[in-house]
Amino acid sequence: DTAVSQTPKYLVTQMGNDKSIKCEQNLGHDTMYWYKQDSKKFLKIMFSYNNKELIINETVPNRFSPKSPDKAHLNLHINSLELGDSAVYFCASSQTGGGIYGYTFGSGTRLTVV
Amino acid sequence: SQQGEEDPQALSIQEGENATMNCSYKTSINNLQWYRQNSGRGLVHLILIRSNEREKHSGRLRVTLDTSKKSSSLLITASRAADTASYFCATDKGYGGATNKLIFGTGTLLAVQP
Repeated sequence: DTAVSQTPKYLVTQMGNDKSIKCEQNLGHDTMYWYKQDSKKFLKIMFSYNNKELIINETVPNRFSPKSPDKAHLNLHINSLELGDSAVYFCASSQTGGGIYGYTFGSGTRLTVV
Repeated sequence: SQQGEEDPQALSIQEGENATMNCSYKTSINNLQWYRQNSGRGLVHLILIRSNEREKHSGRLRVTLDTSKKSSSLLITASRAADTASYFCATDKGYGGATNKLIFGTGTLLAVQP
C-alpha cells in the first residue's frame, strides 16, 4: 500500500489551462504539504495544511489553490497555467510538528506546460 | 534565501568506497534531516538528527551535526551501486505546533560505479 499517493504522475497541458493534482495519505498524519522541485532540483515548500487548516502559504501565486477536504487529502488546483509552472510537484505528510520520523513524500507529479 | 548549501554538488566513487556529503544552513534549527531521491522518484527519509545531538548512526549511514558551525555531514560507508541517487539535507526550524516546514539544501548527486 502506497503511503502517500498522488495522481496523475505525468501531466502535459497547454498554457492557460486549469489542472488539478490529487494527493492522499493513509498514514494517519495530521499535516500535509505541497513542494515544488524545479529543473535544477531545488525543492521549495508551497503550502502546508494541518487538520484541513491552511498553515503555511509560501508566497505562491494565487493561481495555485490547495484544498483539503479532510486530513487525509490535499489537492492542488492550478489556474491559467504558465510555462514557468513546469516542475515536479511533490505531496508529503508528517505528524504534527514534523514528528520524529520525518516526512513521507509521494512519488511526484511531473507537470509540463507547453 | 533560507535554502542550505550542499557540497559537493556531484560525487563519483567506486563501489565499496565511502561517500561523504556536507550541508551548511543559515538559521537555528530544531532538527536536520537527510533524504535520498532516486532519479524520477520521490524523496525517501533516511535519518533525522536533533539539534541537541552531535552524531547519529543508521545502518551504513552516519550523520554528524555541528550547530555552532551550522553544518552537517552524511557519511555512507561501503557504498553500493544502489546508493546512486541525489541526497538532500533539510532543516526543520520548528516554529512550533503545526507550523514546522522543511527547508531543503541544493542536493548532492552521488554516482557509485560498480
